[in-house]
Amino acid sequence: GQQLNQSPQSMFIQEGEDVSMNCTSSSIFNTWLWYKQEPGEGPVLLIALYKAGELTSNGRLTAQFGITRKDSFLNISASIPSDVGIYFCAGFSWDNYGQNFVFGPGTRLSVLP
Amino acid sequence: EPEVTQTPSHQVTQMGQEVILRCVPISNHLYFYWYRQILGQKVEFLVSFYNNEISEKSEIFDDQFSVERPDGSNFTLKIRSTKLEDSAMYFCASSEGRGPTYEQYFGPGTRLTVT
Repeated sequence: GQQLNQSPQSMFIQEGEDVSMNCTSSSIFNTWLWYKQEPGEGPVLLIALYKAGELTSNGRLTAQFGITRKDSFLNISASIPSDVGIYFCAGFSWDNYGQNFVFGPGTRLSVLP
Repeated sequence: EPEVTQTPSHQVTQMGQEVILRCVPISNHLYFYWYRQILGQKVEFLVSFYNNEISEKSEIFDDQFSVERPDGSNFTLKIRSTKLEDSAMYFCASSEGRGPTYEQYFGPGTRLTVT
């Protein structure tokens, strides 16, 4: 089945630094989604991307849908302690037979004060 | 703000026992989902449900799993005969509509521990 890869697997950064993480796939997706998961909670949607090349911001977060439709990146500017968590990308595709929703393995972000 | 709720928050069961995980989706949502997350791993899609029937299911969702909407508010996942490898967080989600433009709202999860 379709699989997503995320890099880096984990990162430790200083408060105030910018963060960049990305997600790649061998398959094309129609939509890319970025979620954040904090301990003991379910994933929360951060940004949704619907068109190849689309660049979308949500506060300090910026994400882009790759031109090839096989990748996406998420940037966090000026990180703060509450940015700590696991960031999952998810790819969404659909055809006449149904829809497919696949999560990446996640990037664990730690922010040092 | 409306939210998806799940009960129990933690369920411990013995191998071979049946468990039912319960979810109350957001009230005006029509599509419901179950996902699984084994400790330290990615979130995996199990099944989607609409209009009282399964819309899609993954390879993980085999005959030991079933879903039901027994009344107007609850959405349940039953695991018939639990195995050790069923130990995971199980997340319920719901959305207003089908497709990527409809955000799926996730519940806090039920941690299932099979001993």
